[in-house]
Amino acid sequence: AQSVTQPDIHITVSEGASLELRCNYSYGATPYLFWYVQSPGQGLQLLLKYFSGDTLVQGIKGFEAEFKRSQSSFNLRKPSVHWSDAAEYFCAVGPNYGGATNKLIFGTGTLLAVQP
Amino acid sequence: EPEVTQTPSHQVTQMGQEVILRCVPISNHLYFYWYRQILGQKVEFLVSFYNNEISEKSEIFDDQFSVERPDGSNFTLKIRSTKLEDSAMYFCASGSRAQNSPLHFGSGTRLTVT
Repeated sequence: AQSVTQPDIHITVSEGASLELRCNYSYGATPYLFWYVQSPGQGLQLLLKYFSGDTLVQGIKGFEAEFKRSQSSFNLRKPSVHWSDAAEYFCAVGPNYGGATNKLIFGTGTLLAVQP
Repeated sequence: EPEVTQTPSHQVTQMGQEVILRCVPISNHLYFYWYRQILGQKVEFLVSFYNNEISEKSEIFDDQFSVERPDGSNFTLKIRSTKLEDSAMYFCASGSRAQNSPLHFGSGTRLTVT
């Protein structure tokens, strides 16, 4: 079955500390992988995506993620967290058949709190 | 940067009433989607729409739901007779034909059924 697992429901980090949010997926084929962020009362903003090629992808706001096929993981990282990064983060997978249609499967999200 | 817009941002309705959630996708996009997020749960796919017809729908998208693209710009989700369990945040998304293009999501409509 296709699924996305984000094992950490809630994470708290200190401002300036490094961050890693975990994402594991189960998918029948090579997937497209995404991280979205949702600030309170806001929609889903795309942070970064992986389609193919270099397994370390850079996104907006200083985030990066690494695709590890052997571990079926796509963890999100940031070297130094800012207070404005407090939000909910969603990992998602979609079909990789070269087209533009993307029915996405989302994880349950990780709520990030940043303390001063 | 173009964006997907949704109206209203919050809709309160009584059980059994019909609601229409509206979305204006990005103008050159061809693929349209509705997702929903029940409070505290994951974002779930409802339906995808292309070339004026539904291309895929989930088991959540039963006969109470319908989608329409009434003109060249709007994309609507109608719930005919709302139930308490329809209370959720509903997200519209659109995508282009370009290869490897991601979905762009709107800011959502929070539907509260009382």
